Amino acid sequence: EPEVTQTPSHQVTQMGQEVILRCVPISNHLYFYWYRQILGQKVEFLVSFYNNEISEKSEIFDDQFSVERPDGSNFTLKIRSTKLEDSAMYFCASSPTSTGGLAQYFGPGTRLLVL
Amino acid sequence: SQQGEEDPQALSIQEGENATMNCSYKTSINNLQWYRQNSGRGLVHLILIRSNEREKHSGRLRVTLDTSKKSSSLLITASRAADTASYFCATGAPGAQKLVFGQGTRLTINP
Repeated sequence: EPEVTQTPSHQVTQMGQEVILRCVPISNHLYFYWYRQILGQKVEFLVSFYNNEISEKSEIFDDQFSVERPDGSNFTLKIRSTKLEDSAMYFCASSPTSTGGLAQYFGPGTRLLVL
Repeated sequence: SQQGEEDPQALSIQEGENATMNCSYKTSINNLQWYRQNSGRGLVHLILIRSNEREKHSGRLRVTLDTSKKSSSLLITASRAADTASYFCATGAPGAQKLVFGQGTRLTINP
């Protein structure tokens, strides 16, 4: 069964450094998402991406964040200058169409620790 | 903003018993989805119920949706130790792409 994959599984970085989190969505899916989960808290939506542009984003997704689909398979989340509070599990998800009718399928996550 | 809120926050039962978790939300939805998360791991999609559906089954899972009460329940029958995990409901609103997650129910199945 096709799965969303994410790399790396864990990343440790120093405050102020840039990080890029990578995702390979399910191949025939058209919508891509990033969510994050701070330890012990809810899963929070960051951004959705469709047709090579951001289609929806949350207040969390400020100018420090950017997303890109550099080729036909990868979907990346870049955090330009990490802060301590960016420490969280970051999940990529994809769906065949907009979530109006179909499930979003999540990857295993990247655990980011900012020191 | 809409929120999915689960109760109870934690549930501990014996293997073989049924587990029921509830979710409430505040605004109109297009669909409601349930996910499972094993400790420190990713989110596994369990089941999706659309706003025009009242009940759905998948294996040992049964989900109900009451849009008049803005609530849903997830029933796991004949629980197993492997069902030990956190369970989240997530709602999708009309016209929106994001899912809004609840705080989750931490389910422990005791052998």
